[in-house]
Amino acid sequence: QKEVEQDPGPLSVPEGAIVSLNCTYSNSAFQYFMWYRQYSRKGPELLMYTYSSGNKEDGRFTAQVDKSSKYISLFIRDSQPSDSATYLCAMSSRSGSARQLTFGSGTQLTVLP
Amino acid sequence: EAQVTQNPRYLITVTGKKLTVTCSQNMNHEYMSWYRQDPGLGLRQIYYSMNVEVTDKGDVPEGYKVSRKEKRNFPLILESPSPNQTSLYFCASRAGGNTEAFFGQGTRLTVV
Repeated sequence: QKEVEQDPGPLSVPEGAIVSLNCTYSNSAFQYFMWYRQYSRKGPELLMYTYSSGNKEDGRFTAQVDKSSKYISLFIRDSQPSDSATYLCAMSSRSGSARQLTFGSGTQLTVLP
Repeated sequence: EAQVTQNPRYLITVTGKKLTVTCSQNMNHEYMSWYRQDPGLGLRQIYYSMNVEVTDKGDVPEGYKVSRKEKRNFPLILESPSPNQTSLYFCASRAGGNTEAFFGQGTRLTVV
């Protein structure tokens, strides 16, 4: 079993829809949770960074962490065609070594105009 | 501008011909890593480095070598490439253990 599981999609939604992207994990040592966005033919870029349980909002994006369920989500409100990309969740433990950044497999999102 | 620069962006080579993919960062970051990205498998770490002359294996190190002689550079070496190393490769750097990773633009390698 992978340490981090992510629904690969692809996911296709109409413009303006609310999008929910999810990851589950098995390693209870994970404390830091990130979402990266990767446009086609580009490297991933950090979108959201959260620590421990709870919600964090940044504009149209909300990151949610539920450590008791080992489940994290990224919500995108009023989705736009420019949000079309692959979204990767990533996690690291408190010890935070160079090795300990584990990625999900990514969810490909298309927002249709 | 803060960035991680990889070269080349695209490379087609033949089985067994040694190659090097270069990676350079201008942010004075301690940590650097190499990943490969394959459909359905996501980003898998090949090697990482926590400082100059300090490197260690990631999850898929077989067939790869790295070196860290200077803080800014972290080249990936394929001594004898094989077709199963056809992939999209990313170099990344981080300031510390739980900080943001900055990625290069990627190198698409095809081994025939």
